Amino acid sequence: RKEVEQDPGPFNVPEGATVAFNCTYSNSASQSFFWYRQDCRKEPKLLMSVYSSGNEDGRFTAQLNRASQYISLLIRDSKLSDSATYLCVVTTRSSASKIIFGSGTRLSIRP
Amino acid sequence: DAGVIQSPRHEVTEMGQEVTLRCKPISGHNSLFWYRQTMMRGLELLIYFNNNVPIDDSGMPEDRFSAKMPNASFSTLKIQPSEPRDSAVYFCASSSQGKDYGYTFGSGTRLTVV
Repeated sequence: RKEVEQDPGPFNVPEGATVAFNCTYSNSASQSFFWYRQDCRKEPKLLMSVYSSGNEDGRFTAQLNRASQYISLLIRDSKLSDSATYLCVVTTRSSASKIIFGSGTRLSIRP
Repeated sequence: DAGVIQSPRHEVTEMGQEVTLRCKPISGHNSLFWYRQTMMRGLELLIYFNNNVPIDDSGMPEDRFSAKMPNASFSTLKIQPSEPRDSAVYFCASSSQGKDYGYTFGSGTRLTVV
């Protein structure tokens, strides 16, 4: 089983729709969680951190469920420009911190 | 803020040649990471440094790969000899440790070994 798993998609949704995807992690000692966005042939860019209390940034909402060991990303009122691959990142703070990227979920917004 | 600077942006080389990738992290960031991305394997962490010291190199594929960080503002990833299966995009990222640290990536080096 992979340490961090994401549904690769693609998710193909119409503009204006709400879309959500999850990322599961296997290490219960994981401490920090992030969502990154990667456009085609570009570098990943930090979208948002995921806090235990959840956080919201405009149309984007991230949640953490420690009991079930997953994080989620919700995008409301999706725009064409939201089309990208969304990567979740899980880190473990220990003597040798591990940083694991999920393989990404591809999102395509259609007009 | 100049961001993380990588060079070259593209590299095409023949099998067996030595390849050196370069990275300048963001000033003040004390952690530096080298990643490799391919369609098949996604983003893989190769090695990371904390305060110029290699902390975890378990992701380095084999002895042909080596990385150095001689000072806080420069790191290299070297492949010698290169092989076609090394073809990938190599990203460098840096971060400053803190409660909510995230990583800032460079634009990557697209390596093609023929």
